[in-house]
Amino acid sequence: NAGVTQTPKFQVLKTGQSMTLQCAQDMNHNSMYWYRQDPGMGLRLIYYSASEGTTDKGEVPNGYNVSRLNKREFSLRLESAAPSQTSVYFCASIPTVYNSPLHFGNGTRLTVT
Amino acid sequence: AQSVAQPEDQVNVAEGNPLTVKCTYSVSGNPYLFWYVQYPNRGLQFLLKYITGDNLVKGSYGFEAEFNKSQTSFHLKKPSALVSDSALYFCAVSLNRDDKIIFGKGTRLHILP
Repeated sequence: NAGVTQTPKFQVLKTGQSMTLQCAQDMNHNSMYWYRQDPGMGLRLIYYSASEGTTDKGEVPNGYNVSRLNKREFSLRLESAAPSQTSVYFCASIPTVYNSPLHFGNGTRLTVT
Repeated sequence: AQSVAQPEDQVNVAEGNPLTVKCTYSVSGNPYLFWYVQYPNRGLQFLLKYITGDNLVKGSYGFEAEFNKSQTSFHLKKPSALVSDSALYFCAVSLNRDDKIIFGKGTRLHILP
């Protein structure tokens, strides 16, 4: 049982480049999330998806797009990376909010130069 | 809108002493409240949750938290701290049956031997 899998683990981009962070869960969870973690800022919600085919903005959605491809996969795309997007990105999933904790992936460390 | 505040960036406690990590929240409805812990270079691990019922919630590793509706607080506590409790602690809140989960900025707990 792999849980929540994120790829890649590390990435270095130049300003203006694009990339997609991949996330997949094998627990048949309905809801999936993307967070970024920055020192002193804690975890901030970028986007979330309550079910297949739906996505909603979180606290810091600007500069990002997401796709809930199917129930298992939830990708995060940076169309034109900026140094301010240097961060550690975590994907998480949950069956439903009621009575369930988040299951987190191991994170993707992204550096934009 | 929902929000969560952790007023202390860092808490220092001597080993064997009781510890408290503070969390206050703001939601326009019934909150779901969570505590997570992050050890160095690791993802987040679930500690405990409050959904409904008893105000005192017991969780993993001897931690507990008290839900106080009048003070809109959900402080994390442990009667006797261990050096191994040193980590980054996050409080999170979700509005009743809403899938949006918001985290605080985190509190770094240092247990001094």
